[in-house]
Amino acid sequence: AQSVTQLGSHVSVSEGALVLLRCNYSSSVPPYLFWYVQYPNQGLQLLLKYTTGATLVKGINGFEAEFKKSETSFHLTKPSAHMSDAAEYFCAVSAPHASGGSYIPTFGRGTSLIVHP
Amino acid sequence: DAGVTQSPTHLIKTRGQQVTLRCSPKSGHDTVSWYQQALGQGPQFIFQYYEEEERQRGNFPDRFSGHQFPNYSSELNVNALLLGDSALYLCASSWAARTDTQYFGPGTRLTVL
Repeated sequence: AQSVTQLGSHVSVSEGALVLLRCNYSSSVPPYLFWYVQYPNQGLQLLLKYTTGATLVKGINGFEAEFKKSETSFHLTKPSAHMSDAAEYFCAVSAPHASGGSYIPTFGRGTSLIVHP
Repeated sequence: DAGVTQSPTHLIKTRGQQVTLRCSPKSGHDTVSWYQQALGQGPQFIFQYYEEEERQRGNFPDRFSGHQFPNYSSELNVNALLLGDSALYLCASSWAARTDTQYFGPGTRLTVL
């Protein structure tokens, strides 16, 4: 079984400030971890993913995330927020499905990032 | 190279009716997954299709059914609509050997009155 907890349904930052979105996961097997972004009235776009290897993962638009197994965390950061970063962000955990081997992601409830001028 | 496309964009139905949503996968992809995203929630997995067969299924009643065509496009059918079926329905495509990397379409917004 797997689950994701995103701490904070809303995060508000000023333009130029550090962005930190928190994600903790639970998985009975080594997980794959993902961050997706969703702009209003659009589908999900993959920001970055961790599978194996280097625990610091760099993604698009200046975002990065660090896999910390001991803390079961995969927090998303960006050094300097832009107005265009305002969106909904979803953390997801995935592992091979027992019967089919297919990866089915389990999503968190999302964090809305608000960026103030 | 077209990404994942879905139709229609929006749909309004009344309780008890039936609805069909359509998805065309990204070029070269052979696997299609469907998700339901209720307002204020993360997407929830409905089912996945590969080689025209349902490969995996989430915790959804059998009012939700699907189909995959030989060209890999897919349909999601929902019968006996309930108010609680109102949601954004997302389609995602991938290669069968790389289902960890899914590309999402823009979704179909279904409103049930």
